Amino acid sequence: DGGITQSPKYLFRKEGQNVTLSCEQNLNHDAMYWYRQDPGQGLRLIYYSQIVNDFQKGDIAEGYSVSREKKESFPLTVTSAQKNPTAFYLCACGGTYSNQPQHFGDGTRLSIL
Amino acid sequence: AQKITQTQPGMFVQEKEAVTLDCTYDTSDPSYGLFWYKQPSSGEMIFLIYQGSYDQQNATEGRYSLNFQKARKSANLVISASQLGDSAMYFCAMRERTGGSYIPTFGRGTSLIVHP
Repeated sequence: DGGITQSPKYLFRKEGQNVTLSCEQNLNHDAMYWYRQDPGQGLRLIYYSQIVNDFQKGDIAEGYSVSREKKESFPLTVTSAQKNPTAFYLCACGGTYSNQPQHFGDGTRLSIL
Repeated sequence: AQKITQTQPGMFVQEKEAVTLDCTYDTSDPSYGLFWYKQPSSGEMIFLIYQGSYDQQNATEGRYSLNFQKARKSANLVISASQLGDSAMYFCAMRERTGGSYIPTFGRGTSLIVHP
């Protein structure tokens, strides 16, 4: 079945540690996105990529990094510079036009130990 | 300024009744898309309905319809005959051209609770 998969479902980070969230899709979509969701805040865009080997910062990119070496994969690293990383992280993929909806993974919940 | 505004943090509705979730948007781009997504407590985001800025008719998908009032920049979601399974967060989103790309922007969401 085609879809978008995030792993792990739950992740714990120690102080000063970098952690990487995985996002893989087999829908053959060009664009991929990472969002952070906090209670009452809706979805805020961290990074997005519309083509392999290219990505752009979103509204809250500080403390995060990404790579897009393959069309199917868009991992997000939460670095130690991100001082408040506890949140629900959603990865999405989709087309690049205004009429195309996004397809979302099931999310990763990141907490601080 | 907020691009997407959802003014109702929480809504309650009786099972089998209709409910309207409000969404207003702000854009100067003539070409844009409006979307509604549902997020159950499990966390996944489910696409519900789409409305294009040039569409003359309101979009409908089963029990979901979008009340599109372009002059008011309003795109309210109407759920008819509410079911217990409709209890969830609902997000309004817009795709407008930003630096050559159609980047989605989301509202803060409305929590809907359906009472039996």
